[in-house]
Amino acid sequence: QQQVKQSPQSLIVQKGGISIINCAYENTAFDYFPWYQQFPGKGPALLIAIRPDVSEKKEGRFTISFNKSAKQFSLHIMDSQPGDSATYFCAARNAGNMLTFGGGTRLMVKP
Amino acid sequence: ETGVTQTPRHLVMGMTNKKSLKCEQHLGHNAMYWYKQSAKKPLELMFVYNFKEQTENNSVPSRFSPECPNSSHLFLHLHTLQPEDSALYLCASSQGGGQGEKLFFGSGTQLSVL
Repeated sequence: QQQVKQSPQSLIVQKGGISIINCAYENTAFDYFPWYQQFPGKGPALLIAIRPDVSEKKEGRFTISFNKSAKQFSLHIMDSQPGDSATYFCAARNAGNMLTFGGGTRLMVKP
Repeated sequence: ETGVTQTPRHLVMGMTNKKSLKCEQHLGHNAMYWYKQSAKKPLELMFVYNFKEQTENNSVPSRFSPECPNSSHLFLHLHTLQPEDSALYLCASSQGGGQGEKLFFGSGTQLSVL
């Protein structure tokens, strides 16, 4: 019940296109959903996060869409750029203030 | 610069060796973490320290031994490792006593066990 399932494992998008990464969870007690971005040779860094009382959060080209009834949330990257090429991890926080991470998505944006 | 520094960046060791990984955070955070990142389990929590006290040990084998002498420094002592322990070991810190709002990760130590 603590699992967070992330898809796809890898994604190739053309420059200027929209990248979409999906995550699904079972535990309805999760109360905070961050996304982390990891470039090669670096550790993950917080990109954007959402709480379940809102359905969408936008920061620049990055948007989280949240569907509480379906227990799903997704990251949309608009106008994808080669510099967005990285691995993306979704996560969910439980009542014990601990994160469960998804399996990661390796995004490649082709010029 | 994330404020979390890990050394060494790369480490190659034999199964009989003893080595240590070091992590230092310059952010004034109270909690520090060790994660293992591999192809099989991309972000696997190993240990959590909150105000220098270990609060989480995620069923990690005893060949991994953490040490947290103060809230700014974290070590991972390694001995008699197995080839399957080869992975990227990431250190992280956070302000609060859980993974909470925001984790700050170091760049990791890439470990190869021969």
